Amino acid sequence: DAGVTQSPTHLIKTRGQQVTLRCSPKSGHDTVSWYQQALGQGPQFIFQYYEEEERQRGNFPDRFSGHQFPNYSSELNVNALLLGDSALYLCASGSIPGQGNSPLHFGNGTRLTVT
Amino acid sequence: RKEVEQDPGPFNVPEGATVAFNCTYSNSASQSFFWYRQDCRKEPKLLMSVYSSGNEDGRFTAQLNRASQYISLLIRDSKLSDSATYLCVVNPYNQGGKLIFGQGTELSVKP
Repeated sequence: DAGVTQSPTHLIKTRGQQVTLRCSPKSGHDTVSWYQQALGQGPQFIFQYYEEEERQRGNFPDRFSGHQFPNYSSELNVNALLLGDSALYLCASGSIPGQGNSPLHFGNGTRLTVT
Repeated sequence: RKEVEQDPGPFNVPEGATVAFNCTYSNSASQSFFWYRQDCRKEPKLLMSVYSSGNEDGRFTAQLNRASQYISLLIRDSKLSDSATYLCVVNPYNQGGKLIFGQGTELSVKP
C-alpha cells in the first residue's frame, strides 16, 4: 500500500523562475492538501483540492496555484519565485474533506531552494 | 497572536525522564486537535489525536482543556528514540485538510 509520494525530492531554482511540484495521494484518499514549511517553523497550509477543485486556501499569494487530476494526484505551481519561497513543501492526503478528525498522511516533501 | 502557540524549545532531558509539552490555540470554535511528530528533515507523522476526555497511548498522554484553549502532551519514561520535534495541531473549522500547526517543540533525549 503506497503512501503519499512526492517528486522531486530536491529542487534548486533561480529567482523569477517557475516550479511545479507533484504529489500522488495514499491509496484510497481523494483529497490533497499542500503545506509550506520554512526552517524552524511548523507547516503552513497553502490549499486543499478535492474533486479537482480548490476547496480551501491559506494566506498565500496568487503566485501559488494548483491542480488536481482525475486520478487524485496533484500539482503545486509557484510562479515568479522569491528567495523566501525556499522551504520544504509537503503534500498531505486524506479522505472525506468534511471530517476534520480524519488524520492526514504526509509525503516526504520536496525541498525547494531558490537562489 | 499566533493561532497555535507552543512552548519554545529545545527540551533536553535524560532517558527515563517525564516531559510535558504545552500548547494554546486562539480559535475557541476549533473542533479537532492532534499531536504530530517530525523527525529531522522528514515529514510530520500523526502521533495521536486529542480528545476532550483525555487519552493515553502507551507512554504518551494527551489532554485537552477547551475552557482554557489548552492542549498538552506528556511523555513518560522517555527513550532516545523520542528525540524529535513535536507539533501541536488544530483543525479550526473541522474541515479535513486545513490544519493549523504550532511552531513545534524540539525534544532531545540524552543517554
